Amino acid sequence: SQQGEEDPQALSIQEGENATMNCSYKTSINNLQWYRQNSGRGLVHLILIRSNEREKHSGRLRVTLDTSKKSSSLLITASRAADTASYFCATDEHNSKLTFGKGITLSVRP
Amino acid sequence: DAGITQSPRHKVTETGTPVTLRCHQTENHRYMYWYRQDPGHGLRLIHYSYGVKDTDKGEVSDGYSVSRSKTEDFLLTLESATSSQTSVYFCAISELAGVGDTQYFGPGTRLTVL
Repeated sequence: SQQGEEDPQALSIQEGENATMNCSYKTSINNLQWYRQNSGRGLVHLILIRSNEREKHSGRLRVTLDTSKKSSSLLITASRAADTASYFCATDEHNSKLTFGKGITLSVRP
Repeated sequence: DAGITQSPRHKVTETGTPVTLRCHQTENHRYMYWYRQDPGHGLRLIHYSYGVKDTDKGEVSDGYSVSRSKTEDFLLTLESATSSQTSVYFCAISELAGVGDTQYFGPGTRLTVL
């Protein structure tokens, strides 16, 4: 069963704008991760945030985690056409396995 | 995709035939995973391995078996392929499990069962 559920399912923005994607989950977690998948490729790890962290940055990426609401958000600032991809959140539920959401399709228009 | 290869990359087969997909890593990571990706379902775990000869089932293991005789190789076998197993299959590896675990994915194998 899917743990993480991303929202929205699809997002289309103009280059230079910020993109915000959300993930909600159901049970307690060790950590939450975000991955990117370009068309026809495997997933690539973007960022990991632990359950005792509230915010983390990596370049143009900002991830927040609210364990009381069981939700996370991924913000991509100053988006570029190359950010066009599918984005997945994945949760680690204390059992050594990651559970992935269904993904968000981000389109960045030049 | 560095350090992880999958073979074949594309395969078309007939219903009822056996199929084996191979994942090979050069990272010496302990954990290896097989996922399938289907529209509307995201990634779902089929089987995983936590060491040589140590494997366990994932969420959608029916119709699949795995073997790991060497650290670097993890094989996924469809004993008798069905059309519902048409999918894109991804192998992943990780050094750790649990807190701090990051998975690294292979390029995928697109399997079509006619």
